[in-house]
Amino acid sequence: ETGVTQTPRHLVMGMTNKKSLKCEQHLGHNAMYWYKQSAKKPLELMFVYNFKEQTENNSVPSRFSPECPNSSHLFLHLHTLQPEDSALYLCASSPKGPTDTQYFGPGTRLTVL
Amino acid sequence: GENVEQHPSTLSVQEGDSAVIKCTYSDSASNYFPWYKQELGKGPQLIIDIRSNVGEKKDQRIAVTLNKTAKHFSLHITETQPEDSAVYFCSTDGGGQGNLIFGKGTKLSVKP
Repeated sequence: ETGVTQTPRHLVMGMTNKKSLKCEQHLGHNAMYWYKQSAKKPLELMFVYNFKEQTENNSVPSRFSPECPNSSHLFLHLHTLQPEDSALYLCASSPKGPTDTQYFGPGTRLTVL
Repeated sequence: GENVEQHPSTLSVQEGDSAVIKCTYSDSASNYFPWYKQELGKGPQLIIDIRSNVGEKKDQRIAVTLNKTAKHFSLHITETQPEDSAVYFCSTDGGGQGNLIFGKGTKLSVKP
């Protein structure tokens, strides 16, 4: 276990649904990240939060909406997704910033029908 | 922006052999080069990293080499074992910008 948990592990949703992914870290880290992992593509950074402030939005469509209520929890709210959004969504945390060791959760496998 | 190329995409070796995975990057300002291992059903896990002030770093059976002039770095695994089977990702700090830029990954299979 890395100390980063993600729920749910699997999610199937229709294009008109609204759902949320949850990430929790028990490591006392100050930075948290959302990544998208698609087959045969590099990991894509989506959002970065540092001390609960969003410091990076990597040109992500507005149908993905992050929320970081405190330094231990990170959410990704999903609405009106497209089939091409089907992927593994990974959460990670690090002590201060991205060039510290990043600890990844196991991911949420999302399927959009 | 930074571009990270990783080769090969798949690699199959016999147990006990060595495995080498190579990455090239485009931004000479990159300073941090971590390698991550992702086992089936799990998230990536850092296995070794190197910063631009050193040329080589070892940790037991794993080593990483860095050639800043040529802008390439490599992961070396010696005496491979079946539990080394996984997908390995190289990454850089994106020209010193901070956020990690990843290669596409190498699926390593170690056959007993």
